[in-house]
Amino acid sequence: DTGVSQDPRHKITKRGQNVTFRCDPISEHNRLYWYRQTLGQGPEFLTYFQNEAQLEKSRLLSDRFSAERPKGSFSTLEIQRTEQGDSAMYLCASSLSGDRVAFFGQGTRLTVV
Amino acid sequence: AQRVTQPEKLLSVFKGAPVELKCNYSYSGSPELFWYVQYSRQRLQLLLRHISRESIKGFTADLNKGETSFHLKKPFAQEEDSAMYYCALKETSGSRLTFGEGTQLTVNP
Repeated sequence: DTGVSQDPRHKITKRGQNVTFRCDPISEHNRLYWYRQTLGQGPEFLTYFQNEAQLEKSRLLSDRFSAERPKGSFSTLEIQRTEQGDSAMYLCASSLSGDRVAFFGQGTRLTVV
Repeated sequence: AQRVTQPEKLLSVFKGAPVELKCNYSYSGSPELFWYVQYSRQRLQLLLRHISRESIKGFTADLNKGETSFHLKKPFAQEEDSAMYYCALKETSGSRLTFGEGTQLTVNP
């Protein structure tokens, strides 16, 4: 499968712990997006990168959330001091900047207990 | 702010019947509209986009700017069409997608 890859697929953590997710985009894609999806809702935008630059962040992205894409390839999303409300599916997507079609990964399901 | 509304969370039809999944949007500019589909245990994938004006898997969608709608239609539903469907909007100059809440389509035999 040469599509967008996310790791891990599932994560269970205790409240207050830090977690980090990884996303590997389609290799030639220079744009990378993070979305969050809670039960019964559509995906909600969190942030996006063009190459290594983080160009936009949603107000949903609190101070406990940080995303990086240091070399313009893979990206990480870290959540510090997790709360039960952080339980969700975290989706990564990538695209070419000249093409508005985004390709999604299978997501990382986070459960905070 | 832009908003996408899918009024039906669940839609059930019989095989061979026509199906229409509704999508309405609010946005002051000229948006780009998409339909994404998620089959069971699979990732979210693009079904079609309004600028392509093409039919994919028998589905079509027409952007109606007057009614601010982008309804998805198929004349004869198949069992393999059962899935979650999301309507999404992208701003003219933006990069983020704004999704609706989704419609779970079930096609019964």
